[in-house]
Amino acid sequence: GPKVLQIPSHQIIDMGQMVTLNCDPVSNHLYFYWYKQILGQQMEFLVNFYNGKVMEKSKLFKDQFSVERPDGSYFTLKIQPTALEDSAVYFCASSLLGGDTQYFGPGTRLLVL
Amino acid sequence: GDSVTQTEGLVTLTEGLPVMLNCTYQSTYSPFLFWYVQHLNEAPKLLLKSFTDNKRPEHQGFHATLHKSSSSFHLQKSSAQLSDSALYYCASYNTNTGKLTFGDGTVLTVKP
Repeated sequence: GPKVLQIPSHQIIDMGQMVTLNCDPVSNHLYFYWYKQILGQQMEFLVNFYNGKVMEKSKLFKDQFSVERPDGSYFTLKIQPTALEDSAVYFCASSLLGGDTQYFGPGTRLLVL
Repeated sequence: GDSVTQTEGLVTLTEGLPVMLNCTYQSTYSPFLFWYVQHLNEAPKLLLKSFTDNKRPEHQGFHATLHKSSSSFHLQKSSAQLSDSALYYCASYNTNTGKLTFGDGTVLTVKP
């Protein structure tokens, strides 16, 4: 089936530093999403993105978070500065249309020390 | 906001017995409902989706029926297999906000 790639698979970073998580969505998809999953806890919606704009974001999407997809390249999640509570697995997903099946990437495991 | 409730956190079954995982939802809009399955250290993958009342999608022996009257989308399978052991998420998609809300998940363990 369609594949979503995420780079890197793992990232260890010191608190206060900046991190960028990269997502290569399915090529013809138009809607993009980020989710956060803390170890042993449920998957939680962070943000969705369509036509170059954030459509909806959750309370977890703090001011330190930003997303963009410049010129149809990677869909990125940037955290600046990072905090200890940002340690989690971050999943990217994409869908052709809103309400369509979302295809998830393998996740980036972020550890903030 | 939208919410999804999965009442069972952990379900343990013997191979061959029927499976039923509960899912109820609350939404101000008529949402789309999904079941995703997540194996350890892997990404969630779509298992089933439903859009209209009384449609019964099926995949890999699993099926679920969307009942708007009871706001439910329970997942069922007639006979559990060892390979069904995984984390199952019910999720609700809000067509107005584009937000997919996940339940807490149910860990299904199938034993020989």
